Amino acid sequence: GAVVSQHPSRVICKSGTSVKIECRSLDFQATTMFWYRQFPKQSLMLMATSNEGSKATYEQGVEKDKFLINHASLTLSTLTVTSAHPEDSSFYICSAKWGEAFFGQGTRLTVV
Amino acid sequence: KQEVTQIPAALSVPEGENLVLNCSFTDSAIYNLQWFRQDPGKGLTSLLLIQSSQREQTSGRLNASLDKSSGRSTLYIAASQPGDSATYLCAVNRDDKIIFGKGTRLHILP
Repeated sequence: GAVVSQHPSRVICKSGTSVKIECRSLDFQATTMFWYRQFPKQSLMLMATSNEGSKATYEQGVEKDKFLINHASLTLSTLTVTSAHPEDSSFYICSAKWGEAFFGQGTRLTVV
Repeated sequence: KQEVTQIPAALSVPEGENLVLNCSFTDSAIYNLQWFRQDPGKGLTSLLLIQSSQREQTSGRLNASLDKSSGRSTLYIAASQPGDSATYLCAVNRDDKIIFGKGTRLHILP
């Protein structure tokens, strides 16, 4: 199957700093990628849809100025958590569609 | 608004038993339904994808069914093994948005 690579897998940052998470489709081009967030024992919640060459579409309740998404190429989307706070600590997963949805390995963000 | 519900939330069964996980969704206008496996702290592994026109898909010991009109899907696991222990997520896809259920935490007892 297709491979989606997400980096880093774990990151710890200080409150107030920014963190960038990368999502790459390794063997296919993805004009659309998706970013999800998962709190402990909760379901994955769609945060935003990343569109290559245009602005991302954010779900209701997700702050676009806090979660910056850039989809600069057909194989790379980035999510930047700006001015991170402890409540942003979560598991973030990206996905890209190539027929079916393929997911990255996820990034565990801990803000201290 | 599409809602996906999975029952039970948690399940423990002895090794070797067959089991069924349930998923229901409120809006039957879906493109496809996908079952995933998630190990603790890990990403998602796609298990089975059922297109809206299909009734079931099989892969090894796994069989997933889809009844779109009633908004239901089941994941059948035959001859369960301890390695099957994980959280199983059901997700429906419409308009390129994937909506997940909260998952069923499965524990297979050796």
